[in-house]
Amino acid sequence: GNSVTQMEGPVTLSEEAFLTINCTYTATGYPSLFWYVQYPGEGLQLLLKATKADDKGSNKGFEATYRKETTSFHLEKGSVQVSDSAVYFCALSSNAGNMLTFGGGTRLMVKP
Amino acid sequence: DSGVTQTPKHLITATGQRVTLRCSPRSGDLSVYWYQQSLDQGLQFLIQYYNGEERAKGNILERFSAQQFPDLHSELNLSSLELGDSALYFCASSVVYNEQFFGPGTRLTVL
Repeated sequence: GNSVTQMEGPVTLSEEAFLTINCTYTATGYPSLFWYVQYPGEGLQLLLKATKADDKGSNKGFEATYRKETTSFHLEKGSVQVSDSAVYFCALSSNAGNMLTFGGGTRLMVKP
Repeated sequence: DSGVTQTPKHLITATGQRVTLRCSPRSGDLSVYWYQQSLDQGLQFLIQYYNGEERAKGNILERFSAQQFPDLHSELNLSSLELGDSALYFCASSVVYNEQFFGPGTRLTVL
């Protein structure tokens, strides 16, 4: 079956530091890949997505590239802000079902 | 604001009881999905409806059921509640294949 593994948190960074959150997946076929963000007390918001190999998703300074050869979709940001503090979820959707399979989530804490 | 609404925001009930969670999808979205977020299980897909019909089932307990009505809103029914059912329940909707928009969630506490 499908599965997503992401690095455990919390990840604690100083403002303006570089961020990487690792995500690897196992899936049949050619899944679409997503990063969702959950701010405290809120629901999940789609941050970015990629639907085929070598696609790069980007939004609000965050980027992730769909790497089929390494089955990875690592999230990066060049300079984090305090407002980026949240829980980040990597997810995939197979062509068969469209339901999302999530990783365990990574809490990011950015200190001023 | 994703455009997906869920009611109630919080629900506190006792073991053995039955509750109904409600979800209104974004205007025009035909698919509704239910997910459970708990500390021990993480985020898990429960069930999907498309235009009133069940489309896919995930790790949904037999005590749980759902339906989607002609106006496309959906309800998730949880019965014979146990302490372990305490969780955040999210609804999501989509029209474009693969892009789901999530509601704010209903926090269920079973005492």
